[in-house]
Amino acid sequence: AQSVTQLDSQVPVFEEAPVELRCNYSSSVSVYLFWYVQYPNQGLQLLLKYLSGSTLVKGINGFEAEFNKSQTSFHLRKPSVHISDTAEYFCAVKGSGGYQKVTFGTGTKLQVIP
Amino acid sequence: GAGVSQTPSNKVTEKGKYVELRCDPISGHTALYWYRQSLGQGPEFLIYFQGTGAADDSGLPNDRFFAVRPEGSVSTLKIQRTERGDSAVYLCASSPGTSGGGYNEQFFGPGTRLTVL
Repeated sequence: AQSVTQLDSQVPVFEEAPVELRCNYSSSVSVYLFWYVQYPNQGLQLLLKYLSGSTLVKGINGFEAEFNKSQTSFHLRKPSVHISDTAEYFCAVKGSGGYQKVTFGTGTKLQVIP
Repeated sequence: GAGVSQTPSNKVTEKGKYVELRCDPISGHTALYWYRQSLGQGPEFLIYFQGTGAADDSGLPNDRFFAVRPEGSVSTLKIQRTERGDSAVYLCASSPGTSGGGYNEQFFGPGTRLTVL
């Protein structure tokens, strides 16, 4: 079984400032990690994923995340946010072996302030 | 091509009624998933279909919930004797399939917002 913790339910940040959204996970097996974005009244869209290899992964819209196995973290970062980044962000984990269901965190609402 | 579509987008019903929620996956996707997203929560897994069969229904909360995918394409989530606690957004996702220990991206629909009065 695995779980995901997103400690920050809301993160306000000024436009053009950097942002970090935190995600920690727990799992007894090797994992795949994901960040999804959900705009109002829309479905989830995959931002980026870590499957293997380089621990720094780059995604769409200028976002990146770093997998840290020792700290069981997968924090999402963007060096300069835009108003259009205002959305809810979900971290998710999936066991890497065979069929495994995806477990989502509770989400972090990013509010970009003009 | 078209993405995952879900109908209706909104459904309001009364406690005790029966509802059906429909999901049209991306054409050719063999895997289909249902999730429930309650207010302030992340999506919670309900059921996974590979083709026509339910490969994992461990997330269904009780026997009032049932889902079918008779032809391996469209799926219907059925909820009997609805309760106020069933109010949530029900999300559907599809993927090309599961490749053993590999990964296939899940593509999500916009969801159906169910309100039980």
